[in-house]
Amino acid sequence: DTGVSQDPRHKITKRGQNVTFRCDPISEHNRLYWYRQTLGQGPEFLTYFQNEAQLEKSRLLSDRFSAERPKGSFSTLEIQRTEQGDSAMYLCASSFTGFGTEAFFGQGTRLTVV
Amino acid sequence: DAKTTQPNSMESNEEEPVHLPCNHSTISGTDYIHWYRQLPSQGPEYVIHGLTSNVNNRMASLAIAEDRKSSTLILHRATLRDAAVYYCILRGPTGTASKLTFGTGTRLQVTL
Repeated sequence: DTGVSQDPRHKITKRGQNVTFRCDPISEHNRLYWYRQTLGQGPEFLTYFQNEAQLEKSRLLSDRFSAERPKGSFSTLEIQRTEQGDSAMYLCASSFTGFGTEAFFGQGTRLTVV
Repeated sequence: DAKTTQPNSMESNEEEPVHLPCNHSTISGTDYIHWYRQLPSQGPEYVIHGLTSNVNNRMASLAIAEDRKSSTLILHRATLRDAAVYYCILRGPTGTASKLTFGTGTRLQVTL
């Protein structure tokens, strides 16, 4: 296993278009997290899954954002009708469930909305 | 979510030890103290975590105060590759408390 992978690494889109990002977690991990990071800030939590169940969504996740994790494997994050304020790095992480376990992050997808 | 307080930035000379402080006065009894770092243009990377006792691994040491209201990440010999933003995070054991809540971290600069 080569760690958490995210695709694409970079995405430039026009305002109003829909975009979808993919995250492939470490295969044994049942927890999967999505974060968003803007310049100079720490990553902000968006949502997380335990297996295929989406257990929490941040208030940051507006109705234009949706995430799925079919069959508890890979996950997708879709942003509909993108806005310039959506420009950010989108990070995915995975971990085991359990006390004090470490999370492994992907390299992120950098989204630029023009 | 319990909060942590870290200095915005610190500087160190290469091959010197670095002590990165973190205050977490509202920590609960089941919160683990996690440290992550983020190198430029990369996702965060796990460094170390602990509950009550001091911890050592190949990357760093974690010193936890007896009352658990503060902790210190220790890099024994800083190198240029250690220049990064270091995040101190409290992580609960289950449910929504188990997510990582990042602050703004400490930006560590390492100079020759």
